[in-house]
Amino acid sequence: SQQGEEDPQALSIQEGENATMNCSYKTSINNLQWYRQNSGRGLVHLILIRSNEREKHSGRLRVTLDTSKKSSSLLITASRAADTASYFCAPSTGTASKLTFGTGTRLQVTL
Amino acid sequence: DTEVTQTPKHLVMGMTNKKSLKCEQHMGHRAMYWYKQKAKKPPELMFVYSYEKLSINESVPSRFSPECPNSSLLNLHLHALQPEDSALYLCASSQGPWIYNEQFFGPGTRLTVL
Repeated sequence: SQQGEEDPQALSIQEGENATMNCSYKTSINNLQWYRQNSGRGLVHLILIRSNEREKHSGRLRVTLDTSKKSSSLLITASRAADTASYFCAPSTGTASKLTFGTGTRLQVTL
Repeated sequence: DTEVTQTPKHLVMGMTNKKSLKCEQHMGHRAMYWYKQKAKKPPELMFVYSYEKLSINESVPSRFSPECPNSSLLNLHLHALQPEDSALYLCASSQGPWIYNEQFFGPGTRLTVL
């Protein structure tokens, strides 16, 4: 596995706005996962996108993957205060379940 | 039951103490993990158990000793820790030890070493 690098490191938006965060990685991947972590808590799996997929949706979440640019983005639409959390990407190579998390984006959604 | 539980929630220990962290899941998952997370950093993988056997040790110091007594339980035995080992310790499980399996995380144990 390899570590992704996320951008921006921190993002502050108002409720109802969309939030976009990006993840870049260095080598070819099998899949890429996104996780959310509320402050000081465990992580929650959001979405897994495979290397042969370009886009995936789950509720208000949309994830895209551009393997030519070695990057992925997570879009949260119509954000809510409850979306305040850190978001981590985990690009993966190989077959073993060995997650290496990116540096994370801290999202703050204010009322 | 889609929950991973961890006990204790908080632990304070001295450098000469021996303590254990416990993790439990009843989802029938066959892979379990320990991660360490320092403040404002991403979680870092420590150990992976696959079908109750240690499959990955990320060069973790021997003062951390994992144990998987059965498919539902994972322990992390702590001995002679250093203050820099203070962190949030997260346990996770997945259906299998494969990269396409999502991992389910427990809430963590906040460890402070004095």
